[in-house]
Amino acid sequence: GNSVTQMEGPVTLSEEAFLTINCTYTATGYPSLFWYVQYPGEGLQLLLKATKADDKGSNKGFEATYRKETTSFHLEKGSVQVSDSAVYFCALSDRKGFQKLVFGTGTRLLVSP
Amino acid sequence: DVKVTQSSRYLVKRTGEKVFLECVQDMDHENMFWYRQDPGLGLRLIYFSYDVKMKEKGDIPEGYSVSREKKERFSLILESASTNQTSMYLCASSFGGAATNEKLFFGSGTQLSVL
Repeated sequence: GNSVTQMEGPVTLSEEAFLTINCTYTATGYPSLFWYVQYPGEGLQLLLKATKADDKGSNKGFEATYRKETTSFHLEKGSVQVSDSAVYFCALSDRKGFQKLVFGTGTRLLVSP
Repeated sequence: DVKVTQSSRYLVKRTGEKVFLECVQDMDHENMFWYRQDPGLGLRLIYFSYDVKMKEKGDIPEGYSVSREKKERFSLILESASTNQTSMYLCASSFGGAATNEKLFFGSGTQLSVL
């Protein structure tokens, strides 16, 4: 079946450091790929998405590129802020519809001043 | 602003109790979902509904049922709560149809403890 693998956390960085959170997937067909973010005490919210190979999703300085050849969708940000501290989830939706998402286990990011 | 509201932020129940978790969305969305979130396991789909009175099992439906009598409300029911159902429960909704790239809107979650 479909699955998503994320790097284990927590990832601890200083403010203005470069961020990479790795995500790889296993899926039949060509899924859409997503990054969701969960701030403390809140539900998840969509950060960015990509729907086909070589698409780049971007939002709030975060970027991720849909790499079909490596089945990856790594999240990057050039300069993190304390306010980026959160849990980040990689997810895919299979082509059978209804936006049923398969989530990774989540990666906690801690950014210190 | 769009809103998915879960009735309780924290809930404590006893083993064997019948538990209702309520979720309401104000966006006229067709699709609604219940996930549970556990450390190290991420989010797992319990049930979803794509229309009023319609429901489909997700990946872990055992021990749960759902009800969708009105479009805006989706209830998760634990018929006889057990300690292994202690978890964070997240409700989500999305626009209708079979599109696979629509975003999900999540509620803030209900942390359920079963003693």
